[in-house]
Amino acid sequence: DVKVTQSSRYLVKRTGEKVFLECVQDMDHENMFWYRQDPGLGLRLIYFSYDVKMKEKGDIPEGYSVSREKKERFSLILESASTNQTSMYLCASSGPWLAGGGETQYFGPGTRLLVL
Amino acid sequence: SQELEQSPQSLIVQEGKNLTINCTSSKTLYGLYWYKQKYGEGLIFLMMLQKGGEEKSHEKITAKLDEKKQQSSLHITASQPSHAGIYLCGADNTGGFKTIFGAGTRLFVKA
Repeated sequence: DVKVTQSSRYLVKRTGEKVFLECVQDMDHENMFWYRQDPGLGLRLIYFSYDVKMKEKGDIPEGYSVSREKKERFSLILESASTNQTSMYLCASSGPWLAGGGETQYFGPGTRLLVL
Repeated sequence: SQELEQSPQSLIVQEGKNLTINCTSSKTLYGLYWYKQKYGEGLIFLMMLQKGGEEKSHEKITAKLDEKKQQSSLHITASQPSHAGIYLCGADNTGGFKTIFGAGTRLFVKA
């Protein structure tokens, strides 16, 4: 059974703190993604990784960094949390992209982050 | 850039009624995904469509991709409270590597 887990369901941090969000998948997927979801804005891609130690910027990478040291783990880092980073963060993973098409992304349960 | 538009934005139906949610793309769809999200939780994959005219079903939920591959519809038959949630469509970006998502349709089912 497909399994993507995220380190926390709820998190409260203060402005300026460094925040780590972790995501682990057990499907041996090459690709992993971090999104944030905000009302009225839908899902927006922050970063993605298609291999260990590889990363690509998504649509809104500012204020975030990522780390992928092992295939199964993809971390999102907020270097200095700000109130506008209060959001729902969703991690996803998918298998290799096929010629002419993609692969289904499987999502974790999400982390609801509140920055005070 | 490719965009996905979902309609309606929200929907309230009486239990037992049928309903349809639409997802329209500004460009040809090469892979169309439907997800369901319970409020405050992650996305659950429902089904994927790739070929024009393709139709798939999962329990009482049926999704279809039109022949031109620019619109998909999700149809729920005899809705139940368990169907309530947010339905999102996603599509493979024509440039590859990324999936784009619609804004979602919030479904409420009145018992």
